Amino acid sequence: SQQGEEDPQALSIQEGENATMNCSYKTSINNLQWYRQNSGRGLVHLILIRSNEREKHSGRLRVTLDTSKKSSSLLITASRAADTASYFCATDMNDYKLSFGAGTTVTVRA
Amino acid sequence: DVKVTQSSRYLVKRTGEKVFLECVQDMDHENMFWYRQDPGLGLRLIYFSYDVKMKEKGDIPEGYSVSREKKERFSLILESASTNQTSMYLCASSLRGTGNTIYFGEGSWLTVV
Repeated sequence: SQQGEEDPQALSIQEGENATMNCSYKTSINNLQWYRQNSGRGLVHLILIRSNEREKHSGRLRVTLDTSKKSSSLLITASRAADTASYFCATDMNDYKLSFGAGTTVTVRA
Repeated sequence: DVKVTQSSRYLVKRTGEKVFLECVQDMDHENMFWYRQDPGLGLRLIYFSYDVKMKEKGDIPEGYSVSREKKERFSLILESASTNQTSMYLCASSLRGTGNTIYFGEGSWLTVV
């Protein structure tokens, strides 16, 4: 069953703008991961945030986690055309399986 | 570089055919997964394997079986393909335990006609 739900479903922004997407989940988690998928390709891991962390950075990516609200956000700063992709959150509920949401499709316009 | 290789990128099969989707990883990972991806539904786990010859059902195992005879290889089998199994299939692998990155293959697009 799907644990995470991303919001919005789709996002269109101008190159150079920031893109923010959110993920909400239902039950307690060990950690939460974000993945990117370019059209027609496999998923690529972006960043992992553990349940005892509140914020994490990786290059132009910033991820926050609020376990009290059961939500996470992914911010991409200074977006580029190459950031056009679908972004998925995946939750790890203390077993070996990740549960993925349906994703946010981001389009960066030149 | 880490690699998960799916043998077929695009397949077209007829209803009722037996279909094999093969996946090989070169990272000595214990865990291997098969996901199905459909528009608006995200990724749904079909089967999972945590060791050779070991398997567990995921969220949507009906109509599928799997085989893991060697650590590096995980096969998905559609015993009798149906049109509602037309989808993108993604194989993935990871180290044992939680908090590990899952590495995905490029996907196999299966069309059942």
